[in-house]
This record gives sequence, C-alpha cells and structure tokens, in this order.
Amino acid sequence: DTGVSQNPRHKITKRGQNVTFRCDPISEHNRLYWYRQTLGQGPEFLTYFQNEAQLEKSRLLSDRFSAERPKGSFSTLEIQRTEQGDSAMYLCASSSPGQGYEQYFGPGTRLTVT
Amino acid sequence: GNSVTQMEGPVTLSEEAFLTINCTYTATGYPSLFWYVQYPGEGLQLLLKATKADDKGSNKGFEATYRKETTSFHLEKGSVQVSDSAVYFCALSDLYNTDKLIFGTGTRLQVFP
Repeated sequence: DTGVSQNPRHKITKRGQNVTFRCDPISEHNRLYWYRQTLGQGPEFLTYFQNEAQLEKSRLLSDRFSAERPKGSFSTLEIQRTEQGDSAMYLCASSSPGQGYEQYFGPGTRLTVT
Repeated sequence: GNSVTQMEGPVTLSEEAFLTINCTYTATGYPSLFWYVQYPGEGLQLLLKATKADDKGSNKGFEATYRKETTSFHLEKGSVQVSDSAVYFCALSDLYNTDKLIFGTGTRLQVFP
C-alpha cells in the first residue's frame, strides 16, 4: 500500500493552455475524489467517482474542467483554457467501503497559471 | 446547506500548553465529523473522527467530542509539542447522501519550545 499518488507535483502554465493531472488511488479503493484548495482556505469538493462512474460534480467544476476514471483505477483531471483563477492545489483522495469510506489524500498537484 | 466554521489562526502556544481549536457546523441530517491535519509540505491526514452524537474521537493525544446540542466538534490536546505545529481542518460529511467532505478554512497551530 503506497498511498495515493499524484502527478505532477507542480505545474506552471501560461493562461489559455490546457493541463492534465493524474491521480493513482490506493489499490482496491473504489471511490476517488477531487478537491481544490486555494491559499488560506480549506479544500473544496469538485467531483467524485465510484469505480468508473462519476456520481457527483460540484458547481465549481465549470465546463472547462473534465475528470475521467476510465477503468475504475487512476483518474485524470483536465483543465482547458486555464485562467489565473485556476491557480490552486488540486487534491485527490480515495476510499473503500471496507474502511468506512475514510478518505486518504494524496500530496496534491500545485498549479500556477501565469 | 452544510458548512463548517472554525476559529481563525494562527494559534501560538508554548510547548506543553493546553490546546483548544473551536469548530462548529451547520448540517441537515446526521453528519460525520472529522479533524484533518496538514503538516508542512505534506498531504492531509485524518487525525480523528466521530460518526454520531456524543461520540469522542481520539488519536495521538488529541480528542474531540461530537456535541449535537451545540453543533460543535472542538479539538483539544492536554500538552502540545513542537511537532504538533501544522494546519488543522475540521470537516463534515453526510454519508447517507454523499460522502464528500466539507471543510472549514483551517487553523494554523504554531508551538514554540
């Protein structure tokens, strides 16, 4: 059990570019969550998957954001046409019913849009 | 909607002092309550949780009691250490509807020797 991993750890991009982040959950965790955390704030929920099905999306997830979990294992979060307001830490977490859906978080991907 | 309010920081204490970080919540239904900790340069870690009223969560000397009558889940520790310096987040989830976590804004704790 190596924990939740996220890549890349840091991403700097210019406004208008597209970026994609990857999250690898703890193996056999069937739920995967994405959150966004801006400086000085708590994480805010974006979306979550149970296996490959995306079950809920926050209103924070504009049309420029898309998340996938094609085989029910790793997930990707893509942001199209990035804006400076997208600069934040993007956190991924996973959980399983055997552990009461306790969420285990990855280290995050820090996005800076210049 | 559901929300969490926690005291603003930073909280600055000397080693071995008593710690309280206040957390109150607003929720429909019967949420589960959590404290997460974020050490410098690390990811969020679950510190403790309570799933029903009057439950007490505890871990590493930290405690918090789920108080439905005051809608509170205050974090306490009897004697803090320098290694407890971190940001602490109170959170709730309503497992019957969705288990997404709703976090407070976080409280930074700084402990000096």
